[in-house]
Amino acid sequence: KAGVTQTPRYLIKTRGQQVTLSCSPISGHRSVSWYQQTPGQGLQFLFEYFSETQRNKGNFPGRFSGRQFSNSRSEMNVSTLELGDSALYLCASSPVGAETQYFGPGTRLLVL
Amino acid sequence: GQNIDQPTEMTATEGAIVQINCTYQTSGFNGLFWYQQHAGEAPTFLSYNVLDGLEEKGRFSSFLSRSKGYSYLLLKELQMKDSASYLCAVRDPSSGSARQLTFGSGTQLTVLP
Repeated sequence: KAGVTQTPRYLIKTRGQQVTLSCSPISGHRSVSWYQQTPGQGLQFLFEYFSETQRNKGNFPGRFSGRQFSNSRSEMNVSTLELGDSALYLCASSPVGAETQYFGPGTRLLVL
Repeated sequence: GQNIDQPTEMTATEGAIVQINCTYQTSGFNGLFWYQQHAGEAPTFLSYNVLDGLEEKGRFSSFLSRSKGYSYLLLKELQMKDSASYLCAVRDPSSGSARQLTFGSGTQLTVLP
């Protein structure tokens, strides 16, 4: 099976812009979670989606949003980008009933 | 609140054994995970413990003591490719999410020849 895929892999934006990141889970996986990884804060949970519903959201401002489509693919959007949003954004998928999350390669976002 | 502590850095020699400790304080507990992350790559799953005791998987073993809020990852017969960051993560059901993981800051392991 193909792993979790994320596009784009690298992105450069300027402050105030908005960005959309995409994640395709492993085939058959219906749960998708998003994490932000920075050198200072480490890996932090953003949100989790299951069957097109957001199940939980981490402690991030409303500028961070996401959605999941009927084929389990997910997107996250960050509006009004700030310099502090520069990070590696990781997507992870899980099969139903299983505990383990499998991570994609991430999208590295640089905000200038 | 939630707090997960692990050493920032460790160094060991090729062929040796190294133990990476993780202590946690969370509102609830429903499993502890260890992930390996090489620089510039995604975290890859190593182990999952939900009951007390030792789980062995090849050169890697993971131990959990829920009463002590403590886990360790044991790496045997170290190889140069084991140089990576090792992340301890706890699933806390009180977070409201079945999948939300709270991660420690990671332990950067350097294996020397």
